[in-house]
Amino acid sequence: DAKTTQPTSMDCAEGRAANLPCNHSTISGNEYVYWYRQIHSQGPQYIIHGLKNNETNEMASLIITEDRKSSTLILPHATLRDTAVYYCIVRVGNQGGKLIFGQGTELSVKP
Amino acid sequence: GAGVSQSPSNKVTEKGKDVELRCDPISGHTALYWYRQSLGQGLEFLIYFQGNSAPDKSGLPSDRFSAERTGGSVSTLTIQRTQQEDSAVYLCASSLAGTGHNSPLHFGNGTRLTVT
Repeated sequence: DAKTTQPTSMDCAEGRAANLPCNHSTISGNEYVYWYRQIHSQGPQYIIHGLKNNETNEMASLIITEDRKSSTLILPHATLRDTAVYYCIVRVGNQGGKLIFGQGTELSVKP
Repeated sequence: GAGVSQSPSNKVTEKGKDVELRCDPISGHTALYWYRQSLGQGLEFLIYFQGNSAPDKSGLPSDRFSAERTGGSVSTLTIQRTQQEDSAVYLCASSLAGTGHNSPLHFGNGTRLTVT
């Protein structure tokens, strides 16, 4: 599975959009981009995933560049409860198999 | 419905003792995963079960670690002769593997293991 690169930490003001970038320049054609987050003392929580089209659900939006070498997770109106470590992972989508987690981005939402 | 359940939530054991950690996956999920997370670190993959296939044990750090999944449901992670470096949160996840990209992992809240 392709490796991802994320900033170590980011801050965001409460109520503003949080834009979390992820680079995955070695992604291959059948690999999906997944985002999870981990709030302190809890297990990771699935947020969203996509292949090449932009995706939106009740939690977030995922914007994938046309060349698929990078993506951005957008939390449109961040709240204090969105403070967490956010993991960007790429994985072959039509198979099972383990997810390999990197170090993620620690997002701090501040009042 | 119920999520992934892990027990115990906390376990303190003495160095050299054996421990067993239990995971009850979401009903109907055919894939089950174990990860561990040391203090301040990322998630480290340990082992993956998918249906009746041979498990992927590539992440187990030593032969003191083993896991089994009985009846395709409940899983037990066993650590023999525990060492202080085994102290970590052990996380279990399950998914509807085989349905590809629509099968995200669902995690439990983990077992916090402390080896004294």
